Amino acid sequence: DIVMTQSPLSLPVTPGEPASISCRSTQSLLHNSGYNYLDWYLQKPGQSPQLLIYLGSHRASGVPDRFSGSGSGTDFTLEISRVEAEDVGIYYCMQALQSPYTFGQGTKLEIK
Amino acid sequence: QVQLVQSGAEVKKPGASVKVSCKVSGYTFNSYNIAWVRQAPGQGLEWMGWISTNIGNTNYAQKFQGRVTMTTDTSTSTAYMELRNLRSDDTAVYYCTRDSGTALDVWGQGTTVTVSS
Repeated sequence: DIVMTQSPLSLPVTPGEPASISCRSTQSLLHNSGYNYLDWYLQKPGQSPQLLIYLGSHRASGVPDRFSGSGSGTDFTLEISRVEAEDVGIYYCMQALQSPYTFGQGTKLEIK
Repeated sequence: QVQLVQSGAEVKKPGASVKVSCKVSGYTFNSYNIAWVRQAPGQGLEWMGWISTNIGNTNYAQKFQGRVTMTTDTSTSTAYMELRNLRSDDTAVYYCTRDSGTALDVWGQGTTVTVSS
């Protein structure tokens, strides 16, 4: 199975400041289509997870443009340009290249 | 709008089975696979498998092989996940999600399954 490793696991951020989460995989997530099969999800407190970024860098519908995804192969990053209070929750990366899909451990973003 | 609405919470005894439903609306049911993901209390997300709503074939995580069955009823646009021989560590919130092939783009509200004697 592909193992996904996120860092940091805890991320206290001051509102208005940027934030960055790293995700690494044990195998390349580059599909022969040229896309990286890496997604980012946010689980807000008490809610179901929601898709933020798919194929490494594509924002899902309705996701604010302060969220961006980058990276290729085995190293990926989720960046929030200016954190807002509504961004608190747990962020997960997930590889969708091969079964079983696997998630990172999660990064808990909190407001300072 | 696209919605996945799941059945209510369940309490089961060890060794029993549970069947969770996921009713889809807002899009053509057989256009997307349905995946199931679970989350134990205070833990992360765990993918269980998916079912093709078009032709009915399934792909289960090895961990659940032999204990899980995913099915669909196209007449009601509903997907089901049955987990058998429940153990205490199956206590979790179970989510159905729409699998676009590259991401899990819409999620149900979750169904809490508690396994306790």
